[in-house]
Amino acid sequence: DTEVTQTPKHLVMGMTNKKSLKCEQHMGHRAMYWYKQKAKKPPELMFVYSYEKLSINESVPSRFSPECPNSSLLNLHLHALQPEDSALYLCASSQGWDSEQETQYFGPGTRLLVL
Amino acid sequence: GDSVTQMEGPVTLSEEACLTINCTYTATGYPSLFWYVQYPGEGLQLLLKATKADDKGSNKGFEATYRKETTSFHLEKGSVQVSDSAVYFCALNTGGFKTIFGAGTRLFVKA
Repeated sequence: DTEVTQTPKHLVMGMTNKKSLKCEQHMGHRAMYWYKQKAKKPPELMFVYSYEKLSINESVPSRFSPECPNSSLLNLHLHALQPEDSALYLCASSQGWDSEQETQYFGPGTRLLVL
Repeated sequence: GDSVTQMEGPVTLSEEACLTINCTYTATGYPSLFWYVQYPGEGLQLLLKATKADDKGSNKGFEATYRKETTSFHLEKGSVQVSDSAVYFCALNTGGFKTIFGAGTRLFVKA
């Protein structure tokens, strides 16, 4: 089973709202990722968690706040977003060995619209 | 730094035509190479991968061979279907958590 699930599938929020995106995997992977993808562009890495600790933050604005409650779950908390944050947000996971060449498995994404 | 270059799209083909999407890379180490596919409105799916020189990855009729001498990993399929219409991303990983993606190539297949 190579499935990564994400909820919700679609999300519309105002600039003053607080919302959360959720991601789950049951492959025993110990690394989990958040990516942002704009239309007609490749995914851009935002955060990486390894063994439930934040390993990489690609200088993402603080209005995006990741959380890894356990090895299977990854959340992305959203607050005071801007319209330019509208995008497809993808979660991914991999085995989690930083010294190895990781194969990442992606979820279906959450399509976010900020009004 | 490491990088991936893909042919620009869109590529438009008729059903049952042959497909080649070119991908070349620059890497300091010995990367693993990947092709991901993104169907309209969906996330990325791993299509195939190769981890060392001369390896051939294959899946769903698609193939790509890891060519170290030409630093290439071209995606091929002998007979495309309308259902293959998607965006295809070539990618590499030289170790660790950062995967480098190409810009993506959009494929349209006409019936």
